[in-house]
Amino acid sequence: QTVVTQEPSFSVSPGGTVTLTCGLSSGSVSTGDYPSWYQLTPGQPPRTLIYNTNTRSSGVPDRFSGSILGNKAALTITGAQADDESDYYCVLYMGSGIRMFGGGTKLTVL
Amino acid sequence: EVQLLESGGGLVQSGGSLRLSCAASGFIFSRCVMSWVRQVPGKGLEWVSAINPSDGGTFYADSVRGRFTMSRDNSKSTLYLQMTSLRAEDTAIYYCAQHPTTGNFDSWGQGTLVLVSS
Repeated sequence: QTVVTQEPSFSVSPGGTVTLTCGLSSGSVSTGDYPSWYQLTPGQPPRTLIYNTNTRSSGVPDRFSGSILGNKAALTITGAQADDESDYYCVLYMGSGIRMFGGGTKLTVL
Repeated sequence: EVQLLESGGGLVQSGGSLRLSCAASGFIFSRCVMSWVRQVPGKGLEWVSAINPSDGGTFYADSVRGRFTMSRDNSKSTLYLQMTSLRAEDTAIYYCAQHPTTGNFDSWGQGTLVLVSS
């Protein structure tokens, strides 16, 4: 079975730029997979950052952007801040009404 | 403003049943795909199910197919998740989520906790 892949962890310096990716264990990610990105903070519901490849959710600063890079979806954070330290999840539309999340990336800002 | 309010969670024994509800407002409910997503406390997100806006077609993750049934009442702007044959591994916070367009979800509710005791 095809699964959604994400880097388990990543680190970025304050003020720096980081790109997290979301791939498939078999095949390439395209806009037709509607890649979407969510930030998970303990005790809070998920916060949507980007949905459908590159649409920023309401209230999300433009430091967050989504794209397709090569054969993966990408979430780029520019000007990283301390409160960006969090877990980030992507979800892909797998076809036939099915969605699948990746395992998440733990982002450290240090 | 999109608002989603889940209810119906609680403590249930393994093998038992529970029905979750999600009351929606602030958008045209009858036009939107809706999903249920769960999060095991301290762990990641798992998509559970989705339902089409008009024909009510439903889709499920393998982990719940055959045990969970998703439905909607467009006249009440309410979403449901009937959960049966519950297992310990179904313990999670369950969120309903709105898809604003074709594709994936944007807005989320606050979640309702389901605890399955073995």
